[in-house]
Amino acid sequence: QKEVEQNSGPLSVPEGAIASLNCTYSDRGSQSFFWYRQYSGKSPELIMSIYSNGDKEDGRFTAQLNKASQYVSLLIRDSQPSDSATYLCAVASYNTDKLIFGTGTRLQVFP
Amino acid sequence: DADVTQTPRNRITKTGKRIMLECSQTKGHDRMYWYRQDPGLGLRLIYYSFDVKDINKGEISDGYSVSRQAQAKFSLSLESAIPNQTALYFCATGRRFFNEQFFGPGTRLTVL
Repeated sequence: QKEVEQNSGPLSVPEGAIASLNCTYSDRGSQSFFWYRQYSGKSPELIMSIYSNGDKEDGRFTAQLNKASQYVSLLIRDSQPSDSATYLCAVASYNTDKLIFGTGTRLQVFP
Repeated sequence: DADVTQTPRNRITKTGKRIMLECSQTKGHDRMYWYRQDPGLGLRLIYYSFDVKDINKGEISDGYSVSRQAQAKFSLSLESAIPNQTALYFCATGRRFFNEQFFGPGTRLTVL
């Protein structure tokens, strides 16, 4: 079982819709959770971090964390074609300073 | 702007050559990391360093070595490059007590 799992996609949504990206993780000791956006051929860019159960909103992005179910999700409201990218979920445990990355979900937003 | 820079950005080399990829940062972070990214395999950690005297192997360190010349500089070497080391290489930085990491622009390495 992979430590951090994401559906590879592509997830296709129309412009203006809500895109929902999901991630599950296996280590119950995980404490920190991150979403990175990566455009093709570019480096990962940190867009959201979440540390406690519940929702965290930042502009059009909302990260949701449920530690009991071991999943974290990212919602993108009012999706734009410029949101088309691969979204990487990353998880860190309390006793390590390393991030474990999922392989990413490719999002396509069509006009 | 505080930043992470990588040189070179692109490199084509031949099997058996020694290659060095360099990473510099002006973020003032104490932690630095080297990753490689391959299609379908995601980001894999090669080496990481928490300070100049603390260097650790990641999950795929075989065939690679690193040097932390200063807090701001972390270099990755391929002693004898082989074709399956063809990949996109990223340097990242982070701070003590925080797990978030910030990535450089990457180096696309091709080994023929």
